[in-house]
Amino acid sequence: GAGVSQTPSNKVTEKGKYVELRCDPISGHTALYWYRQSLGQGPEFLIYFQGTGAADDSGLPNDRFFAVRPEGSVSTLKIQRTERGDSAVYLCASSPRAGVGETQYFGPGTRLLVL
Amino acid sequence: GNSVTQMEGPVTLSEEAFLTINCTYTATGYPSLFWYVQYPGEGLQLLLKATKADDKGSNKGFEATYRKETTSFHLEKGSVQVSDSAVYFCALIYTGGGNKLTFGTGTQLKVEL
Repeated sequence: GAGVSQTPSNKVTEKGKYVELRCDPISGHTALYWYRQSLGQGPEFLIYFQGTGAADDSGLPNDRFFAVRPEGSVSTLKIQRTERGDSAVYLCASSPRAGVGETQYFGPGTRLLVL
Repeated sequence: GNSVTQMEGPVTLSEEAFLTINCTYTATGYPSLFWYVQYPGEGLQLLLKATKADDKGSNKGFEATYRKETTSFHLEKGSVQVSDSAVYFCALIYTGGGNKLTFGTGTQLKVEL
């Protein structure tokens, strides 16, 4: 079946602009995660949804970052007033349900470059 | 806090050599442990996992054993191939951690003919 998809695959924007990154999880997966991966580093957790609600948003770096999942499927990560330090690959993952032993399936990522 | 430490790369090996990539962790409770792989130009893929002490995860000739006494989850393969060239990430999910993966910094593996 189809895996996790993310759009756009690349996004170039200017400092101060607003961007939206979209994630389509695997059909039927109730848990959805956002991570951010900087060059040469491992992914870092941003936020996790169980259904429509954000179960844990402790990884969001500041209030410029916000994510929604209004119908419990597609999710959008929103970044306001982008800064050059926001440049990274933003990864989305989904799992059938939340749980310590559950496998998270990752999408290909959106590469964000803030000029 | 909860963290994962991996050996630094790049690791360069000849084809058919034995591979070990070290991974140690610090975590509260009883975490689940994972190895993810990122091939050039591709997304992260789960390679193997272990959810309790002494479990061995295995896939595609790779193995890793969950060692609670040494808090380690070292990745091994008996005979690497050029196609194994990738970046390997060790990761954990800890009890009470909200189901979020905590990753190491990754180890790049280069396999040459």
